[in-house]
Amino acid sequence: SAVISQKPSRDICQRGTSLTIQCQVDSQVTMMFWYRQQPGQSLTLIATANQGSEATYESGFVIDKFPISRPNLTFSTLTVSNMSPEDSSIYLCSVEAHRDSTSGANVLTFGAGSRLTVL
Amino acid sequence: QKEVEQNSGPLSVPEGAIASLNCTYSDRGSQSFFWYRQYSGKSPELIMSIYSNGDKEDGRFTAQLNKASQYVSLLIRDSQPSDSATYLCAVDTGRRALTFGSGTRLQVQP
Repeated sequence: SAVISQKPSRDICQRGTSLTIQCQVDSQVTMMFWYRQQPGQSLTLIATANQGSEATYESGFVIDKFPISRPNLTFSTLTVSNMSPEDSSIYLCSVEAHRDSTSGANVLTFGAGSRLTVL
Repeated sequence: QKEVEQNSGPLSVPEGAIASLNCTYSDRGSQSFFWYRQYSGKSPELIMSIYSNGDKEDGRFTAQLNKASQYVSLLIRDSQPSDSATYLCAVDTGRRALTFGSGTRLQVQP
């Protein structure tokens, strides 16, 4: 199963600034997924990061606010731009851990997350 | 209507009892279903996956799937205080990324 390293693990940021979160995987993966988990809430998919092409964003998330880079098959970054207190959240990087041999379904594994607090 | 719905809880059970966690989903074309456990301040970790109607057992955990009713459940037998966590139901709708429910918080009372 893939091992994911995310950094920073936590940060306190000022309103209006931007922060870039890094996600490093110990093996090559086709897709990397960025989720957000707001306080007391479940995981919401922000975007899918594809190597060599633009990220695919979910409804409600835009590239200007959450630009994503995917320079190779083991690394991705998510930037949270022009932050406001509403962006205070845990941001999680996820990749396919393995594919189930019976169903072909992709099983996801998660990084430890980056806890952002915006003042 | 949310794509994946769970009762937020908390669900409180005594130690040694069976905990029953439920989940419904809206996309009838969904094929794969997952239960993740998330301890406070930690990232989600996979407990079980299920793809076919019926029951799937793994140790103290049993996942149940009823595609006709669009219903997935997780049973935890002989619940332990260490099982206290939030349990997230996740569904693969064919987009490769998973769609998660809001989670059910389980409290096992010693």
